[in-house]
Amino acid sequence: AQKVTQAQTEISVVEKEDVTLDCVYETRDTTYYLFWYKQPPSGELVFLIRRNSFDEQNEISGRYSWNFQKSTSSFNFTITASQVVDSAVYFCALSEPYSGAGSYQLTFGKGTKLSVIP
Amino acid sequence: DGGITQSPKYLFRKEGQNVTLSCEQNLNHDAMYWYRQDPGQGLRLIYYSQIVNDFQKGDIAEGYSVSREKKESFPLTVTSAQKNPTAFYLCASTSGTDYSFSNQPQHFGDGTRLSIL
Repeated sequence: AQKVTQAQTEISVVEKEDVTLDCVYETRDTTYYLFWYKQPPSGELVFLIRRNSFDEQNEISGRYSWNFQKSTSSFNFTITASQVVDSAVYFCALSEPYSGAGSYQLTFGKGTKLSVIP
Repeated sequence: DGGITQSPKYLFRKEGQNVTLSCEQNLNHDAMYWYRQDPGQGLRLIYYSQIVNDFQKGDIAEGYSVSREKKESFPLTVTSAQKNPTAFYLCASTSGTDYSFSNQPQHFGDGTRLSIL
């Protein structure tokens, strides 16, 4: 069963618009970790943020912000005043440390391709 | 600078041939991972290793093999048994021990794109 769902396959915005990337996850664990990664055209995945299940504080880092809501099992990512350099595929991922054989792996969503048009 | 180096960047495989993808890290990380990425898909785990001379199968290990003879190196062999090897392969590593592997961000290489001739 898919545990991380990124329903938006592709999004296009005009430069300087705000954009929110959705991530919904599924887990039966009470302790888990959520991550966002950026994959630019070069292919390397770049780590953006980690959030643990006990910390529901929203976070802002420059033009990036993250909204973690356990009640809806969502961990959404917003880019304000988007720029062309933000064009990439963004992945949400889940880590469940007590899930037995899968305790050391990340489960990735299928990614959202963001295109920022100048 | 510390990081993960994958080589080659592009690789072509002939029918019935085994090919090996290289992954080297100088981050002094204990755990290393191999992922496969298909177009429009997320990353799927092939193998991972937490310590030298030990490795575990991931979700799609069939048709692949690995070794971990040195902490810095985790090569992946795509065997002839893997009938659909065309994909983008990413190697990753992370620090930590035991449980703490799961809460550490993984660092990724630039990937190897494998195609069939």
